Amino acid sequence: GAVVSQHPSRVICKSGTSVKIECRSLDFQATTMFWYRQFPKQSLMLMATSNEGSKATYEQGVEKDKFLINHASLTLSTLTVTSAHPEDSSFYICSARVMLELNTEAFFGQGTRLTVV
Amino acid sequence: QKEVEQDPGPLSVPEGAIVSLNCTYSNSAFQYFMWYRQYSRKGPELLMYTYSSGNKEDGRFTAQVDKSSKYISLFIRDSQPSDSATYLCAMSTTGFQKLVFGTGTRLLVSP
Repeated sequence: GAVVSQHPSRVICKSGTSVKIECRSLDFQATTMFWYRQFPKQSLMLMATSNEGSKATYEQGVEKDKFLINHASLTLSTLTVTSAHPEDSSFYICSARVMLELNTEAFFGQGTRLTVV
Repeated sequence: QKEVEQDPGPLSVPEGAIVSLNCTYSNSAFQYFMWYRQYSRKGPELLMYTYSSGNKEDGRFTAQVDKSSKYISLFIRDSQPSDSATYLCAMSTTGFQKLVFGTGTRLLVSP
């Protein structure tokens, strides 16, 4: 299947700093990428939908100025958590939507575990 | 009420058992139903997906959707220790966009 590479897999940062997470589609072009957040023992929650070349669409309750999403190319989307606080500690996962021959499918990255201390 | 409800488990079974995993949902507009497997500290991996009601089988896995009851199931036959993981149901109104996930059920298959 298609591969989505997410980097870094783990990051620890100090409160108040910013962290950038990269999501790359390795063998296909992803016009749409999704960013999810997963707290322990909870569902993956969609944060935003990112379309190449346009502004991301954020879900209700997600601060767009805090979670900056850039989808500058068909193979790369980035999520920057600005001025991170301990409550932002979570597992962040990207997903890329790919058009296959008969249907579409979403492939997920490996996730990034962010710990803010 | 959550849009998608899923028992978090853990569900412990012996090797070779038939496993039944389930989700209920409240949004009748959901048309696409997926099951993902997630190993610890990894991203979800798609196992099966179905459109609308009915059954779908792939090897040891069978997915069932009952839209009248707003209930979906994943059956795993001849379960193996390597099946130990968290199984997430997900659904959407429009294909693989804006997926709504359940909390996941943790499955433990003992040798």
